[in-house]
Amino acid sequence: NAGVTQTPKFRILKIGQSMTLQCAQDMNHNYMYWYRQDPGMGLKLIYYSVGAGITDKGEVPNGYNVSRSTTEDFPLRLELAAPSQTSVYFCASSLAGTETGNTIYFGEGSWLTVV
Amino acid sequence: QKEVEQNSGPLSVPEGAIASLNCTYSDRGSQSFFWYRQYSGKSPELIMFIYSNGDKEDGRFTAQLNKASQYVSLLIRDSQPSDSATYLCAVSAGGTASKLTFGTGTRLQVTL
Repeated sequence: NAGVTQTPKFRILKIGQSMTLQCAQDMNHNYMYWYRQDPGMGLKLIYYSVGAGITDKGEVPNGYNVSRSTTEDFPLRLELAAPSQTSVYFCASSLAGTETGNTIYFGEGSWLTVV
Repeated sequence: QKEVEQNSGPLSVPEGAIASLNCTYSDRGSQSFFWYRQYSGKSPELIMFIYSNGDKEDGRFTAQLNKASQYVSLLIRDSQPSDSATYLCAVSAGGTASKLTFGTGTRLQVTL
């Protein structure tokens, strides 16, 4: 009963490096999301996808890219890492949009530090 | 800018008391409202959602929604130490492909 799986759980990056956070869900959900959560703050939406091949920007997309080639996978790419990208990243999924009360299920989070 | 406001706390209540957590939102078009619980170092987990005015009860939890006042609350009865966590209010606007906008959360401490 995996749900939403994120890797890696912890990572330290140097300024200017790039990396990809992996996310996979096995619930056959159409919608997938990437959020970031800074200390003591709420979650901010980075990117989301309503289905394979479709992605769109959230509140804070700058410095990130995503792709959705399959229903299951939604990787988040960080290009030219900056200290401002130090955060906890949560991948999430839902069957459909939240306007009808569909529950968002979160992965366990990826702690990223940029030094 | 759609906003969801919560008092950051900490809100301290004794064990067995009622904890009342409040949230206001700015977008009058919001249709669905969610309460998530987040333990330190963990991911958020859904406690309740509500989309109709009035109260919705689930065990020790009651969500209250007042769309005219743009106000949603969560009551936790018979508070337990295990309820100590940060509670995030999230709001979904209407329309297709809607997303959640989260508040910054209220930290609840249940004391013995």
